[in-house]
Amino acid sequence: DIQMTQSPSSLSASVGERVTITCQASQDIRNYLNWFQQKPGKAPKLLIYGASNLETGVPSRFSGSGSGTDFTFTISSLQPEDFATYYCHQYDNVPYTFGQGTKLEIK
Amino acid sequence: EVQLVESGGGLVNPGGSLRLSCAVSGFTSSRYSMNWVRQAPGKGLEWVSSISSDSSNINYADSAKGRFTISRDNAKNSLYLQMNSLRDEDTAVYYCARDGRLDYWGQGTLVTVSS
Repeated sequence: DIQMTQSPSSLSASVGERVTITCQASQDIRNYLNWFQQKPGKAPKLLIYGASNLETGVPSRFSGSGSGTDFTFTISSLQPEDFATYYCHQYDNVPYTFGQGTKLEIK
Repeated sequence: EVQLVESGGGLVNPGGSLRLSCAVSGFTSSRYSMNWVRQAPGKGLEWVSSISSDSSNINYADSAKGRFTISRDNAKNSLYLQMNSLRDEDTAVYYCARDGRLDYWGQGTLVTVSS
């Protein structure tokens, strides 16, 4: 199984800050990497697919990059509604696997 | 508008069974693979199973193999998950999600396994 190592597991930041989350795959997953946002009591929401493609309707302050084994997710300027938990997810090989999540909290 | 609506969750004794359903609308379900993903209370996301658009390719997480069965009825725009021999550790919110990208999700249905 492909292990997804996501870091940090938690992050405290202020509105307007730039934040970055990384995800490392245990083997090459090409660009089959998603980033999701999840708020308490809600289903995950797809933000980035194919490592760097912004899902329709998602604000441009969200971005993703990387390929192979190393991936980065960035929020360029945090907004109040961005405080949530973020997950990376590989869909190159079954079993599909997720990172352990990054909880983004208000500083 | 794409919609996925899960149902069938509830409280069940260890060793019991449940059948989850996912009703989809707003897209041609026969064109997409479908998935079940679960989330234990306070924990992260775990992919459970996937089924191809024509049901020819089915996959399971190790935790589900031999106990869970995924199926679909494209004529009814529905996805199912038959869960047998349930364990305490199967307690979770179960989501259905579209495509390998998991681009659309339902709201989830809670399965609680407890005596």
